[in-house]
Amino acid sequence: GESVGLHLPTLSVQEGDNSIINCAYSNSASDYFIWYKQESGKGPQFIIDIRSNMDKRQGQRVTVLLNKTVKHLSLQIAATQPGDSAVYFCAEGGSYIPTFGRGTSLIVHP
Amino acid sequence: DAGITQSPRHKVTETGTPVTLRCHQTENHRYMYWYRQDPGHGLRLIHYSYGVKDTDKGEVSDGYSVSRSKTEDFLLTLESATSSQTSVYFCAISEWASGRTDTQYFGPGTRLTVL
Repeated sequence: GESVGLHLPTLSVQEGDNSIINCAYSNSASDYFIWYKQESGKGPQFIIDIRSNMDKRQGQRVTVLLNKTVKHLSLQIAATQPGDSAVYFCAEGGSYIPTFGRGTSLIVHP
Repeated sequence: DAGITQSPRHKVTETGTPVTLRCHQTENHRYMYWYRQDPGHGLRLIHYSYGVKDTDKGEVSDGYSVSRSKTEDFLLTLESATSSQTSVYFCAISEWASGRTDTQYFGPGTRLTVL
């Protein structure tokens, strides 16, 4: 979800569990969405994207679900690993200036 | 990092001094962007460029200027650095075109501290 104040929402999971990270977007006209992963001290890294004419898209261990009715996006990570620990944020694309969410911090405990 | 480099990676400077950050890409992408990232604010767009010598302001452009004299280089200048400009700066590139949905790819970031 979106952050409030200075602290990001945090999701703590055990290694091997599935993780679900949520994102609410604001523009009902947005037609393209991206999930990024940002590890500490690094730049955001593209994970997966989805166009608005799709409800679901799968990658390697990741699935993005799009619910346009409630303007909600989720990222599912299967069999979460310690290397998945990072901040994840969504972006509304479809134009040359995307809109970024503030992110969710995922902590994976071994 | 999709052929994007930023320099310097770390810089400490004093209030009132000029600072220039450089972004270099090898992807020949048309669009280049400068963002700053601060706790509680996420990524905020400073300036962007849609071609050589074509630039425009983002939401937090005050105190910053940019230049793009070549496709591969996008410079961000703080004419007179202030402590409020202490931040992590990211460059991004994209090849967005109407009808397409190209994503942005980010550089490794520059951590700037203004004392």
